[in-house]
Parts: sequence; structure tokens; C-alpha cells
Amino acid sequence: DAKTTQPNSMESNEEEPVHLPCNHSTISGTDYIHWYRQLPSQGPEYVIHGLTSNVNNRMASLAIAEDRKSSTLILHRATLRDAAVYYCIPPRRRGGADGLTFGKGTHLIIQP
Amino acid sequence: GAVVSQHPSWVICKSGTSVKIECRSLDFQATTMFWYRQFPKQSLMLMATSNEGSKATYEQGVEKDKFLINHASLTLSTLTVTSAHPEDSSFYICSASPGQYYGYTFGSGTRLTVV
Repeated sequence: DAKTTQPNSMESNEEEPVHLPCNHSTISGTDYIHWYRQLPSQGPEYVIHGLTSNVNNRMASLAIAEDRKSSTLILHRATLRDAAVYYCIPPRRRGGADGLTFGKGTHLIIQP
Repeated sequence: GAVVSQHPSWVICKSGTSVKIECRSLDFQATTMFWYRQFPKQSLMLMATSNEGSKATYEQGVEKDKFLINHASLTLSTLTVTSAHPEDSSFYICSASPGQYYGYTFGSGTRLTVV
């Protein structure tokens, strides 16, 4: 199974951009990379997913390296509400319905 | 968007009793749902995969007789913690996905405290 590596924690200031890295060097095929986040005492929340090119939505942007072995989640202007644990999730197996494997994620701290 | 509703959001029960947690997909059908458990300051751990109309698939180390899963319809899965003990106190979360190329939607979680 593909594995991911993320920093344990990162800190940023409010209103500044945040770049959250993830290494997924064992990724193969044409599987999507998914990002989720979990605010305190809540279930995880879908953030974004992508395949090969950069992806944007209202929450964030996802920059995927050309070799697809790493990706970066970009929060363009962090707010205090973005303080959460961010998980980069290995790709789902194609054609299957599989549960997600959560690593430890990155604990994002936002300073006012 | 896809919505998953989980109920109750918290429950306190006495040791030895059973507790049922419901997970509903509100605007899509889910032949498969997933149950996770999260202990304080730890990450989510997949417990089992709930399959509509058939038996659930449990992850290694999860007791199927203790954590009963029923997926009787395309929009409802239930997790029953039987003969609960204090060590079963945890945050239980369900999830489902509208399809292969979509993300997963998670319930808001159920905080179970066994006293």
C-alpha cells in the first residue's frame, strides 16, 4: 500500500499563506491524492483531491509534483478556523470501496 | 453536497450495557460505509467496513462480536457496542462516499463514555 509522510506540526500566522507538504513516493498508477482535515472534536472534513495537475477549490489549492511523489496543500490566507490536523491520504484502490488509512497528519497551528 | 448524519453525538452508558450508533447518508445511497475509532490525541483507525445486505468486514484486532454492524438499507448503517467497558470509551466516526471518484464524507462523530 502507498504510504505518506507529513511533518508532525506547522505554525503560521493568520492571514498568511500556508503550504502543507506531503510525500507519497510509493504512489503508483493513476490514483488520486486526497486531503482531509479534522477540527477538534469533529469528524474529518474533505478538503481537496487531485490526480496530476494543480487543483483549486473554495477551500484550498493542491499542487502535485510532476512525478506525483509529493504534493502540497495550499491555504491562501489562513484563518484561525483553519487550525486543524491535516491528513494527506494514500490513494484509494481503483474500483474498490476502501476505508481510508489515516496517518498522524500535520497539526496546523494558526497564530493570531 | 454529500451529507452523512451520525447520531447520537455523545452518549454515556454504564459498564456492561450496549449502545447503538446510527450513521445515515442523507442525499446519496451508500452500499458501503466505514466505521472508525479515535482515542484521544491519536489518529483515526478503521474498525470495519459495513456492506449493505451482507456481513461487515472487520479490521484485524477488532472483535466482531463486540462491535455489531448492521447495514440494512442503502442509507443506514448502525454500530452497536455490546457489553461496553470503560476501555471502549472513544470517539466513533462513520463515513461514506457517493462514488469512486469522490471524496469521503464523514459523520460528526459520537463520543462514547462508559462509566
